Amino acid sequence: AQKVTQAQTEISVVEKEDVTLDCVYETRDTTYYLFWYKQPPSGELVFLIRRNSFDEQNEISGRYSWNFQKSTSSFNFTITASQVVDSAVYFCALSEIRSYNTDKLIFGTGTRLQVFP
Amino acid sequence: DAGVTQSPTHLIKTRGQQVTLRCSPKSGHDTVSWYQQALGQGPQFIFQYYEEEERQRGNFPDRFSGHQFPNYSSELNVNALLLGDSALYLCASSLYGGEGYEQYFGPGTRLTVT
Repeated sequence: AQKVTQAQTEISVVEKEDVTLDCVYETRDTTYYLFWYKQPPSGELVFLIRRNSFDEQNEISGRYSWNFQKSTSSFNFTITASQVVDSAVYFCALSEIRSYNTDKLIFGTGTRLQVFP
Repeated sequence: DAGVTQSPTHLIKTRGQQVTLRCSPKSGHDTVSWYQQALGQGPQFIFQYYEEEERQRGNFPDRFSGHQFPNYSSELNVNALLLGDSALYLCASSLYGGEGYEQYFGPGTRLTVT
C-alpha cells in the first residue's frame, strides 16, 4: 500500500532561519511521482514541485530546494531564509505513474510552518 | 486563464440531508478529481471523472456520488449526511494524456454538518 508520512506536525521558526520539512514515503511501485503542495489559510492547494522516481537529482528554485533520496524513501523540502509569507501547511504527496492519465494523490498529514517576524 | 472554481464556498447542512458541490476545471482540462480534507488532515481521494465516467474511486461509501458534464464540469453529491462528513472538499483538474500529472486545485467548499 502507498503511504506518506510527515512526522513533523508543526514547526515554528523566526524569519531568515532555514527550515527543512521531512517526508518519508512507502510504495511497492518502481515508478512513481512525488509532490509538494502548499496550503495557505485560504485553503487552496498550491503546487510547488513534482519529481519522478527516475530522477534523483536535487532541485533548487529560489529559496526552495528539494532533496530526493530513493535509498531512504525520503523527499525533504528546505526553505532557505524563511519569510513570514512562507507560513502555511505543507503537504507531501505520492502518486503512481500511469500511461495517459493522472493518478490519485496520496497525501501526508501535513506540516504546519509558522514563521515569526 | 481561468483556474479551477468551486461553489459554494461554504455550506451548512443538517445531519441526514443531501448536498451537491460543484466544480469547473481549469480551462483546457478534461479530468476532475475530488478530495475530502478533514480538519488537521491531508486530503483523501474520493473519485476521479473523465469522459463523464468515474475512472477511479477511493475508500468512500456509496453515499458519495458524482457526475461529470459534457463541458467537463463536475458535481459531488453526498446523501444522508453524517457529522463526520464535515470537511473541506477540494476539486482538482488535470489534462488526460498531456502533462496530466499536475493536478490544479480549486479553493474548496467547506461543508459543516450539524
